[in-house]
Amino acid sequence: GAVVSQHPSRVICKSGTSVKIECRSLDFQATTMFWYRQFPKQSLMLMATSNEGSKATYEQGVEKDKFLINHASLTLSTLTVTSAHPEDSSFYICSAFTPGQRSPTGGYTFGSGTRLTVV
Amino acid sequence: DAKTTQPPSMDCAEGRAANLPCNHSTISGNEYVYWYRQIHSQGPQYIIHGLKNNETNEMASLIITEDRKSSTLILPHATLRDTAVYYCIVGTNRDDKIIFGKGTRLHILP
Repeated sequence: GAVVSQHPSRVICKSGTSVKIECRSLDFQATTMFWYRQFPKQSLMLMATSNEGSKATYEQGVEKDKFLINHASLTLSTLTVTSAHPEDSSFYICSAFTPGQRSPTGGYTFGSGTRLTVV
Repeated sequence: DAKTTQPPSMDCAEGRAANLPCNHSTISGNEYVYWYRQIHSQGPQYIIHGLKNNETNEMASLIITEDRKSSTLILPHATLRDTAVYYCIVGTNRDDKIIFGKGTRLHILP
């Protein structure tokens, strides 16, 4: 139990285009989902927190108009990188939360990540 | 900012126990200690978590000091597949965000 599917696993896009990344909780309902970004040899950096049906809360320094987050249901959140530039190339990871007593992972389950390369 | 500090790297011989320390001196009474690991180019993998009692599962043991200001993750018989970055994190086990520190890069030596 507690599986999070993230798609695509890797994507290459041209500068100026937009890319959508999906994060699905397969066997549980996620009250909250989190999006992280990770640059090479660095730790995960939290970008935003999203709750189903409400606007995402972005961390300081993260542009909300560039990184659009939609949390349409309790099992799906999407991150859209708009007008991508080479500096947006990174490893993006989602995490889905369900209350700990119902989760074998203590509440937080991570997706396998998406490697975005902007050329 | 992350509420945990860990050594940046550690070595462990294959087959021996790997003991990874973590300091969380500002942990609150309702915060759990979580351990995850990340193998290159993958998402973090859950290992174990605990509140104040020691915990054990099929992957590892978690020893939390009585004052809860530090903990140790124990991999009882390390293998080459345990080579990864290990993250110690504190969180309330509600839907609060969790912040990652820099973690410990564990090298298993053959």
